[in-house]
Amino acid sequence: NAGVTQTPKFQVLKTGQSMTLQCAQDMNHEYMSWYRQDPGMGLRLIHYSVGAGITDQGEVPNGYNVSRSTTEDFPLRLLSAAPSQTSVYFCATVGGGTDTQYFGPGTRLTVL
Amino acid sequence: ILNVEQSPQSLHVQEGDSTNFTCSFPSSNFYALHWFRWETAKSPEALFVMTLNGDEKKKGRISATLNTKEGYSYLYIKGSQPEDSATYLCAFVDTGRRALTFGSGTRLQVQP
Repeated sequence: NAGVTQTPKFQVLKTGQSMTLQCAQDMNHEYMSWYRQDPGMGLRLIHYSVGAGITDQGEVPNGYNVSRSTTEDFPLRLLSAAPSQTSVYFCATVGGGTDTQYFGPGTRLTVL
Repeated sequence: ILNVEQSPQSLHVQEGDSTNFTCSFPSSNFYALHWFRWETAKSPEALFVMTLNGDEKKKGRISATLNTKEGYSYLYIKGSQPEDSATYLCAFVDTGRRALTFGSGTRLQVQP
């Protein structure tokens, strides 16, 4: 049982490049979310999903796309990377009947 | 945008001191209030999920209380130890969705 996994752990992009941050979970949780961590601003919600085929925007969705074709996977796509997207990205799931949040280990992204 | 505030922003205490932090959140559409412990370079670790007004939760030397009518929660640490040094985050969940809105955290440093 791996819990919540994220790949890659580190990534450097050039402005304008696109990439996908992967998030996978093996706990059969319906709810999954993406957050970004910025200094002095804590964790901010980018997108979330309440189940396969259903996604919605969080506080800071601009520049990011998500899809949820399976319960297990919730990838986050950066369409055209900008330096303002330099951050640490966390994926999280909710489940277990107690509404406990389980976080992945994070992806540290630098956009030059 | 939901407003979740934590105070103080940072706290320095001596080993053995007891301390407490405050989290304030909207008093309407309450679903749950989460507390996390977050060490540098790691993922947030769930401490408590609180759902009922008047809830009190305890884990070792750490406890939390919840007042949903006035929109605040307290986190207490009894007899602080250097290993308690971390950022403590609270996060609010409203009835409309299951994703979290985080406060900016209280950074605790415990001096030996």
